[in-house]
Amino acid sequence: EIVMTQSPDTLSVSPGERATLSCRASQSVSSNLAWYQQKTGQAPRLLIYTASTRATGIPARFSGSGSGTEFTLTISSLQSEDFAVYYCQQYNNWPFTFGGGTKVEIK
Amino acid sequence: EVQLVESGGGLAQPGGSLRLSCAASGFTFTSYAMTWVRQAPGKGLEWVSSITGSGDSTYYAESVKGRFTISRDNSKNTLYLQMNSLRAEDTAVYYCAKNGNYYDSGAYYPRYYFHYWGQGTLVTVSS
Repeated sequence: EIVMTQSPDTLSVSPGERATLSCRASQSVSSNLAWYQQKTGQAPRLLIYTASTRATGIPARFSGSGSGTEFTLTISSLQSEDFAVYYCQQYNNWPFTFGGGTKVEIK
Repeated sequence: EVQLVESGGGLAQPGGSLRLSCAASGFTFTSYAMTWVRQAPGKGLEWVSSITGSGDSTYYAESVKGRFTISRDNSKNTLYLQMNSLRAEDTAVYYCAKNGNYYDSGAYYPRYYFHYWGQGTLVTVSS
């Protein structure tokens, strides 16, 4: 099973600042990596797939990069609605595994 | 507009059974693989099971293999998860999700990221 490790666990950021979230895979997942946002009490929402492709309706301030084992989600200028938990997920190999999440909170 | 509406959650005793349903609309159901993902209270996301658009192939997490069965009725645009031999650790919100896909050489193929999600249904396993 591929283990996905996200860092940091919590990221404190001021509105308007840049946020950089990391995700590491225990073995290569090529570019088969997705990012999701989950707000409290809501279902997750797909942000990014294939490591860097924004899903339908996702603002351009969200960007993904990386391949192999190292991936990054960047939020260029945090808006109030962006404070949430973010998960990465690999879909290169069964079983499809998620990282433990990074909580982005208001500084 | 894609809509996924789960139902069937509730309280079950250890060793008991529940059947979850997910009613889908707003897309061609048969063209997409579908998935169940769960989230224990205060915890992260865990992939549970997936099924291809035709229903020919199914996939399970080791934690549920042999106890849970995923199925679909394409005539009713509905996804199911039959959960037997329930354990306390199965307590979670269960989400159904529509998979992504990609196009290659005249055909669509499933990708196992999850493009749209339902609102979830809570399953509690307790005596």
